[in-house]
Amino acid sequence: DIVMTQSPDSLAVSLGERATINCRSSQNVLNSSNNKNFLAWYQCKPGQPPKLLLYWASTRRFGVPDRFSGSGSGTDFTLTINSLQAEDVAIYYCQQFYSIPFTFGPGTKVEIK
Amino acid sequence: EVQILESGGGLAQPGGSLRLSCAASGFNFRNYVMSWVRQAPGTGPEWVSGISGNGESTYYADSVKGRFTISRDNSQNRLYLQMNSLRADDTAVYYCAKLDGGDWNWPLDYWGQGTLVTVSS
Repeated sequence: DIVMTQSPDSLAVSLGERATINCRSSQNVLNSSNNKNFLAWYQCKPGQPPKLLLYWASTRRFGVPDRFSGSGSGTDFTLTINSLQAEDVAIYYCQQFYSIPFTFGPGTKVEIK
Repeated sequence: EVQILESGGGLAQPGGSLRLSCAASGFNFRNYVMSWVRQAPGTGPEWVSGISGNGESTYYADSVKGRFTISRDNSQNRLYLQMNSLRADDTAVYYCAKLDGGDWNWPLDYWGQGTLVTVSS
C-alpha cells in the first residue's frame, strides 16, 4: 500500500497570511502515460464530509477559491492557502488515487493565530 | 444536483452485522465507480471499499476484507455495504462517495453526510 505522510501536524497562521502544507507518498503517483499526478487534497470541517479541493495535484475543483493552489510531482506535494480566511480553519488531507487501496494522509490542522 | 444519502448505521455488538445503504441521485449512477470511506473519531478518512459502475469489480481495504461486502443496484441508484463480524475498531462515520470518473483513478468528488456505526457491547 502507498503510505501518505503530511507535515506539519498543525499550523497557526494569521488572517491574510499564507499556509503551506506538505504531503509525501511512499511511492510515485505520477502516471507516465498521461503525465498526471493521482493526488488530491480535501478540506474537512467538524460535522461535515470531506470536501474535494484539488486533484491531479494542482487542478482546482469548480467553486474552490483561487487562494487554494497545489504543486509538486512524483512523491512530494504542497497545498498552499494564500491570504488565509477564517472559513479556511479545517483539517486538510492529501489522498492518492494511483493504486488501490486509495490512501489518505494523517491530516494537517490549520488554525488562526 | 448530486445528492447522496446514507442510512443503516447504528449500534451493533462485536461479532454482529449491519447493512449500510446509500441512495444517489443527480447523476448517471451506473456510469460511476462508487466507494465507501470511513472516519473514526479523531482520525483521518480511510478508504474501505469500491465497486465499478457495472458492479463486476470490487475492492476492499485489508482491514475489512472477508468481512464486508459492497454491492450496488443500478436500477434503484443504490449502493450497499454489508458488514459482518463487526469489531470495535470498525466504529466510525461511514461515507458513501462518488468517484469523479468512470474508472478507478479519480478523486472522490461527492460525499454523503455519513452514517455513524458504533460497535460496542
